[in-house]
Amino acid sequence: GAVVSQHPSRVICKSGTSVKIECRSLDFQATTMFWYRQFPKKSLMLMATSNEGSKATYEQGVEKDKFLINHASLTLSTLTVTSAHPEDSSFYICSAREGRNGYTFGSGTRLTVV
Amino acid sequence: TQLLEQSPQFLSIQEGENLTVYCNSSSVFSSLQWYRQEPGEGPVLLVTVVTGGEVKKLKRLTFQFGDARKDSSLHITAAQPGDTGLYLCAGERGGYSTLTFGKGTMLLVSP
Repeated sequence: GAVVSQHPSRVICKSGTSVKIECRSLDFQATTMFWYRQFPKKSLMLMATSNEGSKATYEQGVEKDKFLINHASLTLSTLTVTSAHPEDSSFYICSAREGRNGYTFGSGTRLTVV
Repeated sequence: TQLLEQSPQFLSIQEGENLTVYCNSSSVFSSLQWYRQEPGEGPVLLVTVVTGGEVKKLKRLTFQFGDARKDSSLHITAAQPGDTGLYLCAGERGGYSTLTFGKGTMLLVSP
Protein backbone atom coordinates (compact mmCIF):
# COMPACT_ATOMS: atom_id res chain seq x y z
CA GLY A 1 0.00 0.00 0.00
CA ALA A 2 0.85 3.67 -0.12
CA VAL A 3 3.54 4.77 2.31
CA VAL A 4 4.21 8.26 3.61
CA SER A 5 7.49 8.85 5.39
CA GLN A 6 7.85 11.72 7.82
CA HIS A 7 11.14 12.93 9.26
CA PRO A 8 12.27 13.59 11.92
CA SER A 9 10.09 11.67 14.32
CA ARG A 10 11.24 13.80 17.24
CA VAL A 11 13.00 17.13 17.44
CA ILE A 12 13.94 19.43 20.27
CA CYS A 13 14.94 22.97 19.41
CA LYS A 14 15.71 26.19 21.19
CA SER A 15 13.22 29.01 21.24
CA GLY A 16 13.76 31.37 18.31
CA THR A 17 15.23 28.79 15.95
CA SER A 18 13.55 27.21 12.92
CA VAL A 19 12.74 23.57 12.37
CA LYS A 20 12.04 21.78 9.09
CA ILE A 21 9.85 18.68 8.88
CA GLU A 22 9.84 16.54 5.76
CA CYS A 23 7.00 14.48 4.35
CA ARG A 24 7.68 12.07 1.49
CA SER A 25 5.40 9.83 -0.51
CA LEU A 26 7.57 6.76 -1.06
CA ASP A 27 5.83 4.78 -3.76
CA PHE A 28 3.43 7.22 -5.33
CA GLN A 29 3.22 10.79 -6.49
CA ALA A 30 1.21 13.27 -4.47
CA THR A 31 0.25 16.58 -5.99
CA THR A 32 -1.45 17.43 -2.73
CA MET A 33 -0.31 16.80 0.80
CA PHE A 34 -1.84 17.89 4.07
CA TRP A 35 -0.31 19.11 7.32
CA TYR A 36 -2.04 18.59 10.64
CA ARG A 37 -1.33 19.57 14.21
CA GLN A 38 -2.43 17.44 17.13
CA PHE A 39 -2.50 18.31 20.81
CA PRO A 40 -2.28 15.58 23.46
CA LYS A 41 -5.28 13.26 23.44
CA LYS A 42 -7.01 15.50 20.91
CA SER A 43 -7.99 15.11 17.30
CA LEU A 44 -6.12 16.29 14.23
CA MET A 45 -6.44 19.91 13.21
CA LEU A 46 -5.79 20.68 9.56
CA MET A 47 -3.22 23.44 9.23
CA ALA A 48 -2.73 23.68 5.50
CA THR A 49 -2.99 21.95 2.16
CA SER A 50 0.28 21.72 0.30
CA ASN A 51 0.06 21.94 -3.49
CA GLU A 52 2.94 20.85 -5.73
CA GLY A 53 4.30 23.78 -7.68
CA SER A 54 2.03 26.39 -6.15
CA LYS A 55 1.28 28.14 -2.88
CA ALA A 56 -0.12 26.24 0.04
CA THR A 57 -3.66 26.86 1.21
CA TYR A 58 -3.78 27.69 4.90
CA GLU A 59 -6.69 27.14 7.23
CA GLN A 60 -8.16 30.08 9.08
CA GLY A 61 -6.07 31.11 12.04
CA VAL A 62 -2.85 29.47 10.85
CA GLU A 63 0.01 31.92 10.32
CA LYS A 64 1.50 31.29 6.90
CA ASP A 65 4.66 33.25 7.73
CA LYS A 66 5.27 31.10 10.77
CA PHE A 67 4.49 27.74 9.21
CA LEU A 68 6.22 27.80 5.84
CA ILE A 69 5.21 25.05 3.43
CA ASN A 70 7.12 24.07 0.33
CA HIS A 71 5.99 21.36 -2.09
CA ALA A 72 8.72 21.45 -4.71
CA SER A 73 8.29 17.94 -6.08
CA LEU A 74 5.59 15.33 -6.47
CA THR A 75 6.99 13.30 -3.60
CA LEU A 76 8.15 15.85 -1.06
CA SER A 77 6.49 18.53 1.04
CA THR A 78 8.21 20.35 3.87
CA LEU A 79 6.85 22.29 6.83
CA THR A 80 9.19 24.81 8.44
CA VAL A 81 8.28 26.20 11.82
CA THR A 82 10.03 29.55 11.91
CA SER A 83 11.15 31.35 15.06
CA ALA A 84 9.73 28.55 17.15
CA HIS A 85 8.32 29.24 20.59
CA PRO A 86 7.27 26.84 23.36
CA GLU A 87 3.62 27.19 22.34
CA ASP A 88 4.54 25.68 18.96
CA SER A 89 5.41 22.43 20.72
CA SER A 90 3.05 19.82 19.36
CA PHE A 91 2.68 16.67 17.27
CA TYR A 92 2.73 17.48 13.57
CA ILE A 93 1.42 14.95 11.05
CA CYS A 94 1.37 14.97 7.27
CA SER A 95 -0.78 12.97 4.90
CA ALA A 96 -1.15 12.34 1.21
CA ARG A 97 -3.69 10.68 -0.99
CA GLU A 98 -2.95 8.13 -3.69
CA GLY A 99 -5.68 8.30 -6.29
CA ARG A 100 -8.92 7.05 -4.79
CA ASN A 101 -7.26 4.82 -2.20
CA GLY A 102 -7.79 7.11 0.71
CA TYR A 103 -5.39 9.09 2.79
CA THR A 104 -2.12 7.77 4.15
CA PHE A 105 -0.58 9.46 7.14
CA GLY A 106 3.02 9.88 8.16
CA SER A 107 4.13 8.69 11.57
CA GLY A 108 4.24 12.23 12.92
CA THR A 109 6.88 14.56 14.33
CA ARG A 110 7.00 15.44 18.00
CA LEU A 111 8.31 19.01 18.25
CA THR A 112 9.47 20.32 21.59
CA VAL A 113 10.61 23.92 21.83
CA VAL A 114 12.64 24.74 24.92
CA THR B 1 -19.11 24.34 15.37
CA GLN B 2 -17.81 20.81 15.08
CA LEU B 3 -18.83 19.32 11.76
CA LEU B 4 -18.43 15.76 13.01
CA GLU B 5 -19.55 14.92 16.55
CA GLN B 6 -17.91 11.82 17.91
CA SER B 7 -19.00 10.08 21.08
CA PRO B 8 -18.05 9.03 23.61
CA GLN B 9 -14.81 10.97 23.92
CA PHE B 10 -13.37 8.50 26.40
CA LEU B 11 -14.20 4.88 27.09
CA SER B 12 -12.62 2.57 29.64
CA ILE B 13 -13.77 -1.04 29.58
CA GLN B 14 -12.71 -4.54 30.58
CA GLU B 15 -11.41 -7.12 28.16
CA GLY B 16 -14.24 -9.06 26.55
CA GLU B 17 -16.80 -6.27 26.64
CA ASN B 18 -18.51 -4.86 23.57
CA LEU B 19 -18.60 -1.17 22.68
CA THR B 20 -19.92 1.22 20.07
CA VAL B 21 -18.48 4.56 18.99
CA TYR B 22 -20.66 7.04 17.16
CA CYS B 23 -19.87 9.70 14.60
CA ASN B 24 -22.70 12.10 13.76
CA SER B 25 -23.14 15.12 11.54
CA SER B 26 -25.84 17.28 10.05
CA SER B 27 -23.88 17.28 6.79
CA VAL B 28 -23.77 14.66 4.08
CA PHE B 29 -20.43 13.05 3.34
CA SER B 30 -19.35 11.35 0.14
CA SER B 31 -17.26 9.01 2.23
CA LEU B 32 -16.41 8.46 5.83
CA GLN B 33 -13.27 6.90 7.20
CA TRP B 34 -12.30 5.39 10.51
CA TYR B 35 -8.75 5.53 11.81
CA ARG B 36 -6.95 4.15 14.82
CA GLN B 37 -4.02 6.00 16.28
CA GLU B 38 -1.52 4.86 18.88
CA PRO B 39 0.53 7.31 20.98
CA GLY B 40 3.37 8.88 19.03
CA GLU B 41 2.19 7.48 15.71
CA GLY B 42 0.15 8.71 12.81
CA PRO B 43 -3.44 7.51 12.26
CA VAL B 44 -3.85 4.22 10.44
CA LEU B 45 -6.84 3.73 8.18
CA LEU B 46 -9.23 0.99 9.29
CA VAL B 47 -12.02 1.34 6.77
CA THR B 48 -13.68 3.65 4.26
CA VAL B 49 -17.45 3.59 3.78
CA VAL B 50 -19.01 5.30 0.80
CA THR B 51 -22.52 3.93 0.28
CA GLY B 52 -25.47 4.83 2.51
CA GLY B 53 -26.42 1.86 4.66
CA GLU B 54 -23.13 0.13 4.00
CA VAL B 55 -21.80 -2.29 6.60
CA LYS B 56 -18.19 -3.43 6.64
CA LYS B 57 -16.56 -5.92 8.95
CA LEU B 58 -12.93 -6.14 9.91
CA LYS B 59 -12.50 -9.12 12.23
CA ARG B 60 -14.17 -8.00 15.50
CA LEU B 61 -14.86 -4.49 14.19
CA THR B 62 -18.11 -3.64 12.42
CA PHE B 63 -18.53 -0.31 10.66
CA GLN B 64 -21.81 1.11 9.49
CA PHE B 65 -22.59 4.14 7.35
CA GLY B 66 -25.99 5.73 7.86
CA ASP B 67 -28.55 5.60 5.08
CA ALA B 68 -28.36 9.37 4.64
CA ARG B 69 -24.54 9.33 4.77
CA LYS B 70 -24.53 11.72 7.72
CA ASP B 71 -23.48 9.36 10.47
CA SER B 72 -21.46 6.25 11.14
CA SER B 73 -20.77 3.82 13.93
CA LEU B 74 -17.96 1.52 14.93
CA HIS B 75 -18.81 -1.55 16.99
CA ILE B 76 -16.12 -3.67 18.60
CA THR B 77 -17.00 -7.13 19.84
CA ALA B 78 -15.10 -8.76 22.69
CA ALA B 79 -12.60 -5.93 23.06
CA GLN B 80 -8.98 -6.81 23.73
CA PRO B 81 -6.16 -4.76 25.27
CA GLY B 82 -4.63 -4.49 21.82
CA ASP B 83 -7.67 -2.46 20.75
CA THR B 84 -6.57 0.37 23.02
CA GLY B 85 -6.01 3.58 21.12
CA LEU B 86 -7.55 6.75 19.76
CA TYR B 87 -10.30 6.09 17.25
CA LEU B 88 -11.00 8.87 14.79
CA CYS B 89 -13.76 9.27 12.26
CA ALA B 90 -13.16 11.56 9.31
CA GLY B 91 -15.49 12.67 6.58
CA GLU B 92 -14.89 13.78 3.03
CA ARG B 93 -17.45 16.03 1.35
CA GLY B 94 -16.82 15.36 -2.29
CA GLY B 95 -14.00 13.83 -4.26
CA TYR B 96 -10.54 15.05 -3.37
CA SER B 97 -11.70 17.50 -0.73
CA THR B 98 -10.01 17.77 2.64
CA LEU B 99 -10.82 15.46 5.51
CA THR B 100 -12.79 16.70 8.49
CA PHE B 101 -11.99 14.82 11.69
CA GLY B 102 -14.16 14.13 14.67
CA LYS B 103 -12.72 14.83 18.11
CA GLY B 104 -11.80 11.21 18.61
CA THR B 105 -12.64 8.48 21.09
CA MET B 106 -9.91 7.35 23.44
CA LEU B 107 -10.48 3.67 24.16
CA LEU B 108 -8.75 1.89 27.02
CA VAL B 109 -9.24 -1.84 27.31
CA SER B 110 -7.97 -3.32 30.55
CA PRO B 111 -7.01 -7.01 30.94
